[in-house]
Amino acid sequence: DGGITQSPKYLFRKEGQNVTLSCEQNLNHDAMYWYRQDPGQGLRLIYYSQIVNDFQKGDIAEGYSVSREKKESFPLTVTSAQKNPTAFYLCASSVTGQGNSPLHFGNGTRLTVT
Amino acid sequence: GENVEQHPSTLSVQEGDSAVIKCTYSDSASNYFPWYKQELGKGPQLIIDIRSNVGEKKDQRIAVTLNKTAKHFSLHITETQPEDSAVYFCAARNDNYGQNFVFGPGTRLSVLP
Repeated sequence: DGGITQSPKYLFRKEGQNVTLSCEQNLNHDAMYWYRQDPGQGLRLIYYSQIVNDFQKGDIAEGYSVSREKKESFPLTVTSAQKNPTAFYLCASSVTGQGNSPLHFGNGTRLTVT
Repeated sequence: GENVEQHPSTLSVQEGDSAVIKCTYSDSASNYFPWYKQELGKGPQLIIDIRSNVGEKKDQRIAVTLNKTAKHFSLHITETQPEDSAVYFCAARNDNYGQNFVFGPGTRLSVLP
């Protein structure tokens, strides 16, 4: 079955450590996205990539970094510079980054930093 | 920039009743409006979407209506079932926002048996 795989489902880190969240898709989608979800809030865009080797900052990119070396992979690194990293992180993809192409989401990674 | 509001934030209905969730957007450049259902511990799933050149779309018990003049769109669920209980998000795709989506804050729907 095609889909988006995020791993791990739960992740625990100590404050001051960088951590990388994995996102892999086998849908052959060009565009990929990272969102952050906090309780009672909508999804906020961290980074997005419309094509391999290219990515753009979203609304809340500070303290995060990404890479897009392969079409199917879009890892997110939460750095120690991110002041409130504890959250639910969602990866998504779409056929293209334009038009009426809906987002397809993974099942998320819940990151807890203490 | 674009702002999407969503009401109500919580909604409880009896099984078999209808549920309506309404979203408003601010930027007329928004042209595509999907709705997502998110169950506990999972990622959002697309349930229905509508384009700006269409006023209404229906898929079995779910329908979406769009009023471009008033800049609002609504999700209608008829004959609700307990498995409809989830958080629902509306979104708007905006050409002035790099064609990215702006999401509403979500509505927690509870269907009481």
